[in-house]
Amino acid sequence: GAVVSQHPSWVICKSGTSVKIECRSLDFQATTMFWYRQFPKQSLMLMATSNEGSKATYEQGVEKDKFLINHASLTLSTLTVTSAHPEDSSFYICSAPNRVYAEAFFGQGTRLTVV
Amino acid sequence: AQSVTQLGSHVSVSEGALVLLRCNYSSSVPPYLFWYVQYPNQGLQLLLKYTSAATLVKGINGFEAEFKKSETSFHLTKPSAHMSDAAEYFCAVSESGFGNEKLTFGTGTRLTIIP
Repeated sequence: GAVVSQHPSWVICKSGTSVKIECRSLDFQATTMFWYRQFPKQSLMLMATSNEGSKATYEQGVEKDKFLINHASLTLSTLTVTSAHPEDSSFYICSAPNRVYAEAFFGQGTRLTVV
Repeated sequence: AQSVTQLGSHVSVSEGALVLLRCNYSSSVPPYLFWYVQYPNQGLQLLLKYTSAATLVKGINGFEAEFKKSETSFHLTKPSAHMSDAAEYFCAVSESGFGNEKLTFGTGTRLTIIP
């Protein structure tokens, strides 16, 4: 199958700082990528849809100024958590649809801990 | 709007026993249904998907699921549990079977295998 790589796999940062998470489709192009958030022992909740060359579409209740998404190329989307706070600590997962395989492939996830 | 309900947040079965994880869906359009597995601190891996071609869907690792429209169900089964099956399982629904649309996930079921 296709491969989606997410980096970093874990990060610890201080309150008030910003953290950037990268999501790359390694062997295919993705004009759309999805960013999910997963709290401990809970399900994945879609945060936003990243669109190459245009603005991301955010789900209701997600602060677009806090969670900045950039999809600058057909293989890379980034999520930047700005001015992070402890309540932003979570597991963030990206996915990229692949039409050849007719499924979305997921990154390994990033565990963010804000102290 | 679409949704999925997973009955049972935790399921324990003995090694070699039948695995049954329940999923019921709600959708105003013909649904596309998925089962994913997640190992600790990792992304999601697709086990199988229903895209209206056949009601009984066979997936990887010996898992299968049957789509029952009359019961709005898509339960996941495996005849004989293996220790390596211990993981979190998510049922998901989308309006497209091509993976290019966002997924709505259930709350997940943690499967424990008893030696």
